[in-house]
Amino acid sequence: EDKVVQSPLSLVVHEGDTVTLNCSYEVTNFRSLLWYKQEKKAPTFLFMLTSSGIEKKSGRLSSILDKKELFSILNITATQTGDSAIYLCAGAISGTYKYIFGTGTRLKVLA
Amino acid sequence: EAGVAQSPRYKIIEKRQSVAFWCNPISGHATLYWYQQILGQGPKLLIQFQNNGVVDDSQLPKDRFSAERLKGVDSTLKIQPAKLEDSAVYLCASSLERGDEQYFGPGTRLTVT
Repeated sequence: EDKVVQSPLSLVVHEGDTVTLNCSYEVTNFRSLLWYKQEKKAPTFLFMLTSSGIEKKSGRLSSILDKKELFSILNITATQTGDSAIYLCAGAISGTYKYIFGTGTRLKVLA
Repeated sequence: EAGVAQSPRYKIIEKRQSVAFWCNPISGHATLYWYQQILGQGPKLLIQFQNNGVVDDSQLPKDRFSAERLKGVDSTLKIQPAKLEDSAVYLCASSLERGDEQYFGPGTRLTVT
């Protein structure tokens, strides 16, 4: 059965801290790994990773994929209260392009 | 560029009643998805459309759930009759083509009492 596991389930940090969120996957016919940020209801797209070892960056956020070890990490540096959200990781299946989501990591950044 | 639109935003119904949700994807997006997100879980795909055809509905409880995308643009998801365990947020997403990143709407929070 395809599955995506995220850790930790929740995390509380102070502004300015750096956090690392983990995502491991077991997805048959794996195509890509995606990260989303969910604040209220709608997940907003952060990154899509298809190649192993290539870091993607957007401001203070960065992510990398390891296709050999079947995991990805999302780093957030110099955290701000606006980074408080649930971060979702999803594995996309080749062919169907179906996404298998993890349960998410709930991040709370304290001022 | 307008995002994915959904309505209603909230709905409360009693069990055994029926309910319908509407989604308007981003203009030009060929692929549309309906997800169910139960509290504390990640979104689970219910059905995927490519234009007006169904690509994947393997996780759609077809005895009570139905969905259509007749003209390849808007879509409706219906539940009839609703059960308590259907309480969830129903998210609609669209992508330009299959394999592209998906963009999500604000969701509809359904409470079944």
